[in-house]
Amino acid sequence: DSGVTQTPKHLITATGQRVTLRCSPRSGDLSVYWYQQSLDQGLQFLIQYYNGEERAKGNILERFSAQQFPDLHSELNLSSLELGDSALYFCASSAFFGSGPTDTQYFGPGTRLTVL
Amino acid sequence: DQQVKQNSPSLSVQEGRISILNCDYTNSMFDYFLWYKKYPAEGPTFLISISSIKDKNEDGRFTVFLNKSAKHLSLHIVPSQPGDSAVYFCAARGNTGNQFYFGTGTSLTVIP
Repeated sequence: DSGVTQTPKHLITATGQRVTLRCSPRSGDLSVYWYQQSLDQGLQFLIQYYNGEERAKGNILERFSAQQFPDLHSELNLSSLELGDSALYFCASSAFFGSGPTDTQYFGPGTRLTVL
Repeated sequence: DQQVKQNSPSLSVQEGRISILNCDYTNSMFDYFLWYKKYPAEGPTFLISISSIKDKNEDGRFTVFLNKSAKHLSLHIVPSQPGDSAVYFCAARGNTGNQFYFGTGTSLTVIP
């Protein structure tokens, strides 16, 4: 158990809909990262928040947004969903910025999103 | 644009033998490399890392080798055990930030 929790585990929805994925980082970790893993793909970095502020942005679509709240949990909002958005979405957390030599990312179990 | 590549989607090894998982990268600015292990229905778990100033890091049965001139990373598992059967991802971080780039993973099966 990494200490990172994600809810829900599974989500099935229809095209055009909007969903929210939730992540609670490990106790004491200030950074939260979101990744997308599509079929046969590696983990694609979407976005990082550090202590409530956006820190780094990867290949995140404009239809997607995220935020980190004062209690450090984070939510990833996916809107106008398309079939191609079906994927595993992972959240990870690290103690600090993530740029330190030993600032490892710890991953949650993921949320499997299916868009029908 | 896949900056980190794992060209072998799968690997089968006999228990007790050595498992060698390979990873190639394209960005010479990467300064930190990691291996993660993933079991089904779980998130990736950190396994071992290496800084670009080293060429080898060892932790028990796991050793990571870095060849910067070839932009190549490998993970050696000796001896391999059935519990090592999982998907292994390599990842790299650029020295200008903290974005990690992941490979597509290699599924290792250790045959008892």
